[in-house]
Amino acid sequence: EAGVAQSPRYKIIEKRQSVAFWCNPISGHATLYWYQQILGQGPKLLIQFQNNGVVDDSQLPKDRFSAERLKGVDSTLKIQPAKLEDSAVYLCASSLRLSTEAFFGQGTRLTVV
Amino acid sequence: QKEVEQNSGPLSVPEGAIASLNCTYSDRVSQSFFWYRQYSGKSPELIMSIYSNGDKEDGRFTAQLNKASQYVSLLIRDSQPSDSATYLCAADSGGYNKLIFGAGTRLAVHP
Repeated sequence: EAGVAQSPRYKIIEKRQSVAFWCNPISGHATLYWYQQILGQGPKLLIQFQNNGVVDDSQLPKDRFSAERLKGVDSTLKIQPAKLEDSAVYLCASSLRLSTEAFFGQGTRLTVV
Repeated sequence: QKEVEQNSGPLSVPEGAIASLNCTYSDRVSQSFFWYRQYSGKSPELIMSIYSNGDKEDGRFTAQLNKASQYVSLLIRDSQPSDSATYLCAADSGGYNKLIFGAGTRLAVHP
C-alpha cells in the first residue's frame, strides 16, 4: 500500500514570496491533516479535513495561509506572502476516519530567507 | 493550557533498561491516543495506538492509559541505542476530534 505522498521535499523562498505544498493521502483515507513543525517542537495542527470539508482550522493563519482538498482526495497548502517565521517542516498525514491512526508523509522543509 | 503535555527530556537510559515516557491530556472527552517515534530529520512514525483503559503490548512496547487521571504512558523494554529518538504523544481533542500532539520527549539510550 502506498503511503502519504508530499511534494516538494525542500523549498527555499524569499520572504513575501508565495509557495504551495501538495499532498496525496493514502487511498481511501477520509481524514487529512496539515501540520507545521518548527525545529525542537511538536507538530502543530494547521488544518484538518474530513473528506473535502474542514473539521478544524483554528490554528491556521488565515491572512496568509490557505488550504483546500478538492474532491476529498489530494490537498494543497499555500502560503502567501511568506514570513521568516514560516520556516518549518510542513507535514501531511491521513487517517481512515476521525480519531483513528494517522500516517505521515515525508514532509516539506521550507526555508524562508 | 496545553492540550497534550510531555516532559521534553532528554531522558537518558542505559541499553537494556526500561524507558518510561509519560503524557497528560486536558480534554476529558478524548478517546483515542497515539505514540509516535520521530528520528532527527524524519517524519513521525506510528508506534502504538490505545483506546481503552489499561495496558496494550506490542513487542517491546507497552502503552498504558488511565482516563480517570488523563494520563498515557509508553514503556520500552530492553531499550536499544536505535530507540534513541523523540517520542510524540497525540490525542484526539475537541468536539470534532482534531488530532493534537505534545511537544515530544527526547530519549537517549546509551551503550
